[in-house]
Amino acid sequence: KQEVTQIPAALSVPEGENLVLNCSFTDSAIYNLQWFRQDPGKGLTSLLLIQSSQREQTSGRLNASLDKSSGRSTLYIAASQPGDSATYLCAVPNAGGTSYGKLTFGQGTILTVHP
Amino acid sequence: DVKVTQSSRYLVKRTGEKVFLECVQDMDHENMFWYRQDPGLGLRLIYFSYDVKMKEKGDIPEGYSVSREKKERFSLILESASTNQTSMYLCASSLRAGRVNSPLHFGNGTRLTVT
Repeated sequence: KQEVTQIPAALSVPEGENLVLNCSFTDSAIYNLQWFRQDPGKGLTSLLLIQSSQREQTSGRLNASLDKSSGRSTLYIAASQPGDSATYLCAVPNAGGTSYGKLTFGQGTILTVHP
Repeated sequence: DVKVTQSSRYLVKRTGEKVFLECVQDMDHENMFWYRQDPGLGLRLIYFSYDVKMKEKGDIPEGYSVSREKKERFSLILESASTNQTSMYLCASSLRAGRVNSPLHFGNGTRLTVT
């Protein structure tokens, strides 16, 4: 059974810092990995999707990398801003499955960026 | 942009009531999903559908049923609401089964309270 772990559980940084969020998964037979952001009381917003054949994806100040063989992904946020404060979740398709969307989610990292 | 719309942001129902949660997506996606999110338990899949009138159980289907009569609409039904079904319910959709580049898109969620 696929298990996804996110470290740290919570992170508090001053504005302007570069930071790294970590995601690890137990079964490397994945088709993709997706990073989401969730604001309090809201749904999840898709940030980046990395296909298994890719090593990284970039969107603005966000860069996500994927190392399938080691079962790890990182989300790098450059020049953090207070508006980046949210919970960040990673998710992978269940082991041996297709990308039907039966994802296993990590518990998330709660990020606080203070001015 | 993909838009996934959940009919209610907040809902308060009494124990034993039949509850309908509605979700509509506007991008002709084949796959639709219902998750619930609880503190400490993360996101758990209730049901998903990969085509009209098709459905499959997720990890926690007990006490729920679903209906997908049209491609764009996926309904979650609580046959007889109970207090342990108080939760945040999240609907999601993705383009097509088996595609590695098929991100999951979420609605804003319905906060259901059963009293």
